[in-house]
Amino acid sequence: EADIYQTPRYLVIGTGKKITLECSQTMGHDKMYWYQQDPGMELHLIHYSYGVNSTEKGDLSSESTVSRIRTEHFPLTLESARPSHTSQYLCASRGWGAFTEAFFGQGTRLTVV
Amino acid sequence: AQTVTQSQPEMSVQEAETVTLSCTYDTSESDYYLFWYKQPPSRQMILVIRQEAYKQQNATENRFSVNFQKAAKSFSLKISDSQLGDAAMYFCAYRSAGDDKIIFGKGTRLHILP
Repeated sequence: EADIYQTPRYLVIGTGKKITLECSQTMGHDKMYWYQQDPGMELHLIHYSYGVNSTEKGDLSSESTVSRIRTEHFPLTLESARPSHTSQYLCASRGWGAFTEAFFGQGTRLTVV
Repeated sequence: AQTVTQSQPEMSVQEAETVTLSCTYDTSESDYYLFWYKQPPSRQMILVIRQEAYKQQNATENRFSVNFQKAAKSFSLKISDSQLGDAAMYFCAYRSAGDDKIIFGKGTRLHILP
């Protein structure tokens, strides 16, 4: 069983609120990722990190920010939630090595009302 | 930019039969990795099978195998002896050897008919 955890699993929040989605892994992986999964199930990369203090934006323009202060922790923050942010957010991690697979968390389903 | 295309949004197969899911990709790289992931309903995404571009031999994992055609940039997944537990979204994914980004296709929803 992959040891990558996302909290909360479900969140309903009002427009304009600041929220942080948590992602933690206990595998010591240096690469971590955030994907937004739309209702059609397509995955869009929004942020990734290849180690502590390194973060990159993905292909999907996002109003979110991330930080990577510790290897095991990769939180995603929305400063001001909007209904367009309603989606499922998946966190993943990958170990060192060229051919390693990504391990995924169970996801956070966010609804902004 | 690299892209991954899955042209079959949904497929159905009778239990115990064989099904093939299609995936094509576009890249100018020669060294890369390809993956198939499975996302069961309300459950975590997990790896099904992976392939290195430099290996000509097609990867196999029990009932799952791939048909990797590098020149055609095609990477299809064959599921033999389909089981009810195979029902899921299947995603084809690509990663360049020189990059950390993992790019996914739009997915194929597979239904298993009893």
